[in-house]
Order: sequence, then structure tokens, then C-alpha cells
Amino acid sequence: DTGVSQDPRHKITKRGQNVTFRCDPISEHNRLYWYRQTLGQGPEFLTYFQNEAQLEKSRLLSDRFSAERPKGSFSTLEIQRTEQGDSAMYLCASSLARASGGYEQFFGPGTRLTVL
Amino acid sequence: AQKITQTQPGMFVQEKEAVTLDCTYDTSDPSYGLFWYKQPSSGEMIFLIYQGSYDQQNATEGRYSLNFQKARKSANLVISASQLGDSAMYFCAMREVRNNAGNMLTFGGGTRLMVKP
Repeated sequence: DTGVSQDPRHKITKRGQNVTFRCDPISEHNRLYWYRQTLGQGPEFLTYFQNEAQLEKSRLLSDRFSAERPKGSFSTLEIQRTEQGDSAMYLCASSLARASGGYEQFFGPGTRLTVL
Repeated sequence: AQKITQTQPGMFVQEKEAVTLDCTYDTSDPSYGLFWYKQPSSGEMIFLIYQGSYDQQNATEGRYSLNFQKARKSANLVISASQLGDSAMYFCAMREVRNNAGNMLTFGGGTRLMVKP
């Protein structure tokens, strides 16, 4: 399977704990995005990387959130001191930036976080 | 102001019939792209179709077509010959180019489509 993969698929944690999610993009894709989706809503952008550089962060990304993409391959999203409001689906997507346009993003299956 | 508006929270369609899912958008950027994604109950977002703001013809991909009306700022998705497997959430999304070098997407609230046998 050469699609975007995410791990874990589900995470249940207690308030105040730290959690880390992993995303493996499609191998040749140089852009990687994190989105958050709450129940009944569309995904909301959190942050994106071009290769290993984190180029933009949404205001949704509080200082408890940190994302990395070492070596421009997989990415991790860490949430420190989780709160119940962090409960959501965390989606990772990747794309290949090219001059011809399109820029469709391919999404992974998501990690569903539940904070008790 | 909402950048992407999907006014139909839920829709029913009879199997084998065509259905139109509405999407209106708001942007001042002359260069933008519009996307439709399908999200089944499994949660994965599946890319369906893309329309660029400068594309002269409406995009088509198999049973999916995009009815792009630039002056009205609408980008409705038409699904022909609905199948039971089409039952899912459908999201319209926009990529603005000028102020968005990263090409991140802004999504609408989605429409839940239910196909009746």
C-alpha cells in the first residue's frame, strides 16, 4: 500500500497526558499537512511542511502542539497536557508541489483522539 | 465570513439517480482551486475531483462532474447513476493561491449523502 498511513488509528488518553501521532506520507510527496476534524465539521488546517521545513502554522495550533518532520519523510504531531477539547480526528495529508497545478492532497485514515 | 458554504446538511437520492451537492465559495484571489472529497464512515478523505479557477471546461472524473459557475462562485458536485457505496460525507474545499503559498485547503461543513436502494 503506497498511500498515506497514520499511527495509531485510535488513541484514548486521560486529560493532562501527552500524546504523539505519526504520519507517513506518500514517498515522493514533498508537502505534508496536518488537519483536525471535530464531529460533524469539515477538517481545519493545523500546519504544513515542505520537505523538513515547517512553513505555516494555524492559530488553532496552540503552544501545547508541536509538529516535526525530520529528514522530510514521516511527521509527528505531539499534544502536551491534553484537554478534553483536543478530542478530534487528526488527519494527515501529503501532496507533490508541481508547476502544472492540481496540488490534490491525499489523506491518511486519521487518528481519532479521545481525551477523558 | 465562511469561505466555503455547503447548505445541504443531508440529502437522500434513489439508487441509479443523479444527485447534485451544492458548494459556494468566497475569495478575492483570482487564482484558486476547488476540490471535492468523499469521507465514508471509515474516516478517510478520498479525493474525487479538482477544478482550477482558470479552467475553461468543467471537470469530470467518471461518474463525478463539477458544475463550475465562476460568476456565481459555485462549484456543485454532480454524481450520476448513484450507487449504494456513494453513501458518505462529501466535502467541498478551496485552495487560494495568492495568500496561500502552502496550498492548504479550507473545507466546508460537508453534506451527508444517503443512497436509497
